[in-house]
Amino acid sequence: DVKVTQSSRYLVKRTGEKVFLECVQDMDHENMFWYRQDPGLGLRLIYFSYDVKMKEKGDIPEGYSVSREKKERFSLILESASTNQTSMYLCASSSPNKGQRGDEQFFGPGTRLTVL
Amino acid sequence: GEDVEQSLFLSVREGDSSVINCTYTDSSSTYLYWYKQEPGAGLQLLTYIFSNMDMKQDQRLTVLLNKKDKHLSLRIADTQTGDSAIYFCASQTRGAGRRALTFGSGTRLQVQP
Repeated sequence: DVKVTQSSRYLVKRTGEKVFLECVQDMDHENMFWYRQDPGLGLRLIYFSYDVKMKEKGDIPEGYSVSREKKERFSLILESASTNQTSMYLCASSSPNKGQRGDEQFFGPGTRLTVL
Repeated sequence: GEDVEQSLFLSVREGDSSVINCTYTDSSSTYLYWYKQEPGAGLQLLTYIFSNMDMKQDQRLTVLLNKKDKHLSLRIADTQTGDSAIYFCASQTRGAGRRALTFGSGTRLQVQP
């Protein structure tokens, strides 16, 4: 079974702090994604990466950056956390054409971040 | 870009059928997915349908796709309290090499005993 793990389930930070959210997958997937989930807005793509050291902006990249130094790990960085970044953050991974289900994405359990 | 829309809430009684609807805008969508999110958890793939199919059945789940109207539905037969969750519709297109999915806002299904 694919496993996607996220470093924390719950995180509380103060405004202005630098925040690191870590995601690790164990299935050698090329693609990794960071989404944020807010009530009534569904999942919105922040950044994704399709290879080591490669990244692309998603729909809402402002205020975030990412790092992918190793294939299995994709980090989301909030350089200076703000209260409007309080949200649930979900990491996912996929591999193109490995299965019969398109680029099915496998999700981690999420990190609920609160910025005070 | 692609837009995927769902109603936000559905309430049914245990044993009834649930129908969750979704509309999308990009006619080149190749795969359409239904994900389920239980409280406090990440998303799990429930079922999917390829764009050249009209219907797919998997035990209590039936997915219907109307490509002309760009409408997707998920029917859950004999709904149980364990089906209470948020259901997300998602589409995948192959345009411009984009590998991400576009998700709807999610439909919260509440099953009353």
